[in-house]
Amino acid sequence: DQQVKQNSPSLSVQEGRISILNCDYTNSMFDYFLWYKKYPAEGPTFLISISSIKDKNEDGRFTVFLNKSAKHLSLHIVPSQPGDSAVYFCAAINAGGTSYGKLTFGQGTILTVHP
Amino acid sequence: ETGVTQSPTHLIKTRGQQVTLRCSSQSGHNTVSWYQQALGQGPQFIFQYYREEENGRGNFPPRFSGLQFPNYSSELNVNALELDDSALYLCASSSKTAANYGYTFGSGTRLTVV
Repeated sequence: DQQVKQNSPSLSVQEGRISILNCDYTNSMFDYFLWYKKYPAEGPTFLISISSIKDKNEDGRFTVFLNKSAKHLSLHIVPSQPGDSAVYFCAAINAGGTSYGKLTFGQGTILTVHP
Repeated sequence: ETGVTQSPTHLIKTRGQQVTLRCSSQSGHNTVSWYQQALGQGPQFIFQYYREEENGRGNFPPRFSGLQFPNYSSELNVNALELDDSALYLCASSSKTAANYGYTFGSGTRLTVV
């Protein structure tokens, strides 16, 4: 039962263009969403998050959009840079639930930004 | 401020053996979670420890067990290893008072069961 899904295993983008990574979820109890970036041989690093009471959160080149009715979120990177090449994971949490700390991850999307 | 450190970085074990993986939490973090990441998949929650007690568990059998010590470091123990246990094991520490849940992940231990 995959409660968080990233349906695109990979994405290739030209430097300077926009990267859009998508994520869908099925559990309506999720109320906080996070994006992590992972380089080879390193652990995931936190990138940006959004609470379910918002529909947009920006941090520099990174913007996350949340569509609760569609149970869909997306991460926009503008402009994309070669250093952004990594695996991106979407994760969700039921912040009000009893299982604090249980991040539910998607399968990840490999982003490649070409110079 | 030190990050999360895990040891060893790589490990090869034989099916049926037991393994212990270790994690040192980030300074100031009192909660530790363990995740299993199989090849091509996202990390899967194994369990979490808070104040030395298990505080949440994912869909993993009892042969996966853990400990948290007074200094907030942690161990993950896996008994009767199976081939499907081959994966990257990630430790994440956090603090309930940290913004954005403040999860900090270690670089992981790559376990191969042969």
